[in-house]
Amino acid sequence: KQEVTQIPAALSVPEGENLVLNCSFTDSAIYNLQWFRQDPGKGLTSLLLIQSSQREQTSGRLNASLDKSSGRSTLYIAASQPGDSATYLCAVSNSGYALNFGKGTSLLVTP
Amino acid sequence: NAGVMQNPRHLVRRRGQEARLRCSPMKGHSHVYWYRQLPEEGLKFMVYLQKENIIDESGMPKERFSAEFPKEGPSILRIQQVVRGDSAAYFCASSPYRDVDTEAFFGQGTRLTVV
Repeated sequence: KQEVTQIPAALSVPEGENLVLNCSFTDSAIYNLQWFRQDPGKGLTSLLLIQSSQREQTSGRLNASLDKSSGRSTLYIAASQPGDSATYLCAVSNSGYALNFGKGTSLLVTP
Repeated sequence: NAGVMQNPRHLVRRRGQEARLRCSPMKGHSHVYWYRQLPEEGLKFMVYLQKENIIDESGMPKERFSAEFPKEGPSILRIQQVVRGDSAAYFCASSPYRDVDTEAFFGQGTRLTVV
């Protein structure tokens, strides 16, 4: 059974800092890995999708890496802003459609 | 192109009542997925449906829960005889087809409170 763990559970940083969120998974036979953002009381916004054959994806100030063999992914956020405050979720797919989610990292960026 | 629409956004039910949650996928999407997020827990996959077919319901509780995606109209997640433990946020996602390269788009969720 796939288990997805995200560390840290919560993080508070001052504006402008670069930061790294970690995700680990127990079953490396994945099709893809996605990072999402969830704002309080809102839905999920997909940030980056990495296929199992890829090592990283970039979008703006976000960079996600994937090391499938070790069961790890990191989300790097450059030059953090207060608007980045949200919960970041990591999810992996072993079936090609169903996603297994971690519990998330709650990020607070202070001005 | 509107996103995935879920309604109602908030639903309060008394124990024993029925809850019906609706999900309208994005235009052109024929694949729908339901997830449940319990308090302090991660999202858990419940069911995957295509038009008129249930493809995978391995995450659905065996009793009281059912889902459908008719030829016309939204997908419905139905919870009969709700209990306090059903209180959660229920999210729907949709995709145009089933493919490992395809990301699913999520709705804003229905927050069910059972009192």
